[in-house]
Amino acid sequence: KAGVTQTPRYLIKTRGQQVTLSCSPISGHRSVSWYQQTPGQGLQFLFEYFSETQRNKGNFPGRFSGRQFSNSRSEMNVSTLELGDSALYLCASSPEAAPIGQYFGPGTRLTVL
Amino acid sequence: AQSVTQLGSHVSVSEGALVLLRCNYSSSVPPYLFWYVQYPNQGLQLLLKYTTGATLVKGINGFEAEFKKSETSFHLTKPSAHMSDAAEYFCALEETSGSRLTFGEGTQLTVNP
Repeated sequence: KAGVTQTPRYLIKTRGQQVTLSCSPISGHRSVSWYQQTPGQGLQFLFEYFSETQRNKGNFPGRFSGRQFSNSRSEMNVSTLELGDSALYLCASSPEAAPIGQYFGPGTRLTVL
Repeated sequence: AQSVTQLGSHVSVSEGALVLLRCNYSSSVPPYLFWYVQYPNQGLQLLLKYTTGATLVKGINGFEAEFKKSETSFHLTKPSAHMSDAAEYFCALEETSGSRLTFGEGTQLTVNP
């Protein structure tokens, strides 16, 4: 089975721009979560989608949004980028709601200049 | 609110020595616990998980962890370190409310020849 894929792997943007990141979960997985990883704040939960519905949301401003499609693929969007948004954005998928572990993609490295 | 604390941001061992990475948690409900490993420029790989049942869990690459409720701990061990074990390790907790992982700060493991 193919793993979680994320595109693009690297991205450079300037302040004020917006960005969309994409995640394709493992086939059959219906839950997709997004995390932000930075040296200062570590790994922080952004949001989780299950069957196209946002089920959990972390403590991030409204500039961060996401969605999930009927095929379970997910996108996250960050509008009005700030320097502090520079981070590794990780997507993870799991088969269902049960906490059996999440499987992570390689991440998208976003740099905001 | 749940939390995870990893004691020691950096651990250094000699090749062939015991690896012990410490993790303590705080949770208002019985938690599900995980260890992940992250190699440079990669996503997180699930090493092992504790959900219910046996408190000693075995994972990939010879790692194991023991859930001790009385000590609120979930320490990761490996009897004999290998050079390829050098990476960052994260302990994570998930409560029964859904697929939202709370991570510790991470422990960077260095293996010396």
